[in-house]
Amino acid sequence: SQQGEEDPQALSIQEGENATMNCSYKTSINNLQWYRQNSGRGLVHLILIRSNEREKHSGRLRVTLDTSKKSSSLLITASRAADTASYFCAPSNQAGTALIFGKGTTLSVSS
Amino acid sequence: NAGVTQTPKFQVLKTGQSMTLQCAQDMNHEYMSWYRQDPGMGLRLIHYSVGAGITDQGEVPNGYNVSRSTTEDFPLRLLSAAPSQTSVYFCASRNNWEAFFGQGTRLTVV
Repeated sequence: SQQGEEDPQALSIQEGENATMNCSYKTSINNLQWYRQNSGRGLVHLILIRSNEREKHSGRLRVTLDTSKKSSSLLITASRAADTASYFCAPSNQAGTALIFGKGTTLSVSS
Repeated sequence: NAGVTQTPKFQVLKTGQSMTLQCAQDMNHEYMSWYRQDPGMGLRLIHYSVGAGITDQGEVPNGYNVSRSTTEDFPLRLLSAAPSQTSVYFCASRNNWEAFFGQGTRLTVV
């Protein structure tokens, strides 16, 4: 299985702090994507990092990928209350045909 | 832009009933998938398709059938609903870079 395993399962921080979530996966990937889900709604794509990339930025998001350790991290800087959501990593299988999601990290940002 | 449209949004079934969850996308994506989401379990892949006429099983395919006769539509069929299929179902359509999700169908089997 390509399932990503996120860590921690839950994270509570104050507004303005940084939030770091980690993802580990099991086998070779084509790319790894991060998604966000607000309560009860569909997932929204945040960022994709390819297997030959090590770091990528998008606004307040920073994603790293270490294929030797089969792990990725998502850093959200200067968190806001609106960042409260669940975050999922989704490694793509090597063929790029399927995304397998983990159980997610639930982030709570209090003001 | 409609994106990914799932119907219905809510459904209650009796054990043994059958039904079809509809999913349609207007982005001309080849890849489409069905997931179920249960509390504490994240999203689990049920079936996926890489193009019209091509489908494959995901992590939890038992009890579900799919077909892909057109690029736009990817229906999910429950042939004989069971209480264990109570869940929120999400359809996703994607290109090579990102997946777009429908708003979900909340299914309760009693």
